[in-house]
Amino acid sequence: TQLLEQSPQFLSIQEGENLTVYCNSSSVFSSLQWYRQEPGEGPVLLVTVVTGGEVKKLKRLTFQFGDARKDSSLHITAAQPGDTGLYLCAGALAYNTDKLIFGTGTRLQVFP
Amino acid sequence: NAGVTQTPKFQVLKTGQSMTLQCAQDMNHEYMSWYRQDPGMGLRLIHYSVGAGITDQGEVPNGYNVSRSTTEDFPLRLLSAAPSQTSVYFCASKLAGLNTGELFFGEGSRLTVL
Repeated sequence: TQLLEQSPQFLSIQEGENLTVYCNSSSVFSSLQWYRQEPGEGPVLLVTVVTGGEVKKLKRLTFQFGDARKDSSLHITAAQPGDTGLYLCAGALAYNTDKLIFGTGTRLQVFP
Repeated sequence: NAGVTQTPKFQVLKTGQSMTLQCAQDMNHEYMSWYRQDPGMGLRLIHYSVGAGITDQGEVPNGYNVSRSTTEDFPLRLLSAAPSQTSVYFCASKLAGLNTGELFFGEGSRLTVL
């Protein structure tokens, strides 16, 4: 089993719909990041959250870090085809911040 | 601006063969790491380094060796390749000691072991 589990694994929706991706763990993280990856490329950072309960907004994307710093969510409002990609959460463990652990990934497809 | 450069991009090996995946970065990052990506499993950390001469194991280190003789380079060695090592490998770097630092990735190396 992996330290960071994401759900759902796959998401296929129509343009304009809202969605939420979850990232859960039993471990505590000092910070949590969300990356997006497109085919044939490496992941690219979207956001970093560091404080329990923190909420960050990036245009139509809203990121939340759980109060206990064990989980996070990514909410997309009015999804667009350009949001299509693989979304990955990544956490820096509280007891070893140099070890950045990635989640299992959520593959999102948004149809026009 | 090169960033993180991985070579080769594609490689086919036979079981038991050895090879080295090269990784170089020009951003003067102390932290470098190797991940493998398999369907449904996201990215799994193989080995990482926080500076020249320092390496440590990640989540799935078995079958892989690393060394860090310079800040710029962090090669990943497969001493005796197995079909289970078929995967896409990513090298990534960032500033060390900063748990909020952005991880910069190479474009990946697709390895097939027959």
